[in-house]
Amino acid sequence: AQSVTQLGSHVSVSEGALVLLRCNYSSSVPPYLFWYVQYPNQGLQLLLKYTTGATLVKGINGFEAEFKKSETSFHLTKPSAHMSDAAEYFCAVSPYGGSQGNLIFGKGTKLSVKP
Amino acid sequence: DSGVTQTPKHLITATGQRVTLRCSPRSGDLSVYWYQQSLDQGLQFLIQYYNGEERAKGNILERFSAQQFPDLHSELNLSSLELGDSALYFCASSVNRGPETQYFGPGTRLLVL
Repeated sequence: AQSVTQLGSHVSVSEGALVLLRCNYSSSVPPYLFWYVQYPNQGLQLLLKYTTGATLVKGINGFEAEFKKSETSFHLTKPSAHMSDAAEYFCAVSPYGGSQGNLIFGKGTKLSVKP
Repeated sequence: DSGVTQTPKHLITATGQRVTLRCSPRSGDLSVYWYQQSLDQGLQFLIQYYNGEERAKGNILERFSAQQFPDLHSELNLSSLELGDSALYFCASSVNRGPETQYFGPGTRLLVL
């Protein structure tokens, strides 16, 4: 069965520091991978996605993620954290290689940014 | 604003009752997805409709049902409610039926007392 594991339910960084949120997936077919962000009392917003092609994917708000097939990982990074990045981040996989659209989400990582 | 609307925003009801959650997708989107977010289960996919037809089913209980109407809005019906059904219910929409960007609504927070 397909699954997503996000290491660390809570990550805290200082403003200006590197943000690294970890995601590992399990999929029996080539995965489509997504990172979503959820601000308090709001719905989810897409940060970036990987389908095929270039393995380094750039998203909104300065975030990027690299698909590493050999490590079954899709970690999210941002060089310099901003206070406005404080939110919950979800990694998701679409496990059917393009035939269906539903997403399997990780448990989420809550990012705190200290001034 | 994602363009996906959900009503109501909050719902408080009692065990054993039935409620209906409504979702209007973004203009032009044919797929509607329903997800449940709870503290213990996280975000779980319930069901997908594409252009009026059921497309995929996830961890949806038999007490729950959904449909998508000709104007593409969707309703999620929850019946014989239990305390454990208290959660945030999200609707998302996408243009087609495959794994593309899904746009999420603000959610309906359901509290079962």
